[in-house]
Amino acid sequence: AQSVTQLGSHVSVSEGALVLLRCNYSSSVPPYLFWYVQYPNQGLQLLLKYTTGATLVKGINGFEAEFKKSETSFHLTKPSAHMSDAAEYFCAVSEGQAGTALIFGKGTTLSVSS
Amino acid sequence: DAGITQSPRHKVTETGTPVTLRCHQTENHRYMYWYRQDPGHGLRLIHYSYGVKDTDKGEVSDGYSVSRSKTEDFLLTLESATSSQTSVYFCAIRRDNYGYTFGSGTRLTVV
Repeated sequence: AQSVTQLGSHVSVSEGALVLLRCNYSSSVPPYLFWYVQYPNQGLQLLLKYTTGATLVKGINGFEAEFKKSETSFHLTKPSAHMSDAAEYFCAVSEGQAGTALIFGKGTTLSVSS
Repeated sequence: DAGITQSPRHKVTETGTPVTLRCHQTENHRYMYWYRQDPGHGLRLIHYSYGVKDTDKGEVSDGYSVSRSKTEDFLLTLESATSSQTSVYFCAIRRDNYGYTFGSGTRLTVV
């Protein structure tokens, strides 16, 4: 069975600092990996996804993530945090072409202080 | 989001009553999903569908049923609502490029 672990339910950074949100997954087949962002009282917006090919994936709003198979990780980074990045972030995994549903981590709330 | 709508957006219901939430898509995608979101739990899969009349259970399916009689509609029914089913419910579709798009959510309160 697949699973996702997001390390740290709450991460706080200063504006301009590096953002690092950690995600580790478990999957018995090559995974497809996703990061979503949710702003308060809104739905989920896709930041980026990895399916196949290049392991460094660039997404919207300056975010990127790197798929590391040996570490079963898909950490999300942004070089310089902005106040508007404050939100909840979810990592998710699916079983690639063989699978259908997304399995989510429990989420990480990012706070950005000035 | 474009192509997927959920109704109602908000609902308050009494314990023991049946409730049906609707997810409607306009793009003819085969796969549709229902999730619930609760603080500290992320999103958990309730049921999903891989075609008309083809559905399967997810992680937290107890107390829920679904139906899909048309490609565009995926209904979630709480057969007898309980307070533990107070949650935000999200519907999703899977696009051909493995992008999953979510609806805006239904906030359900069971009193």
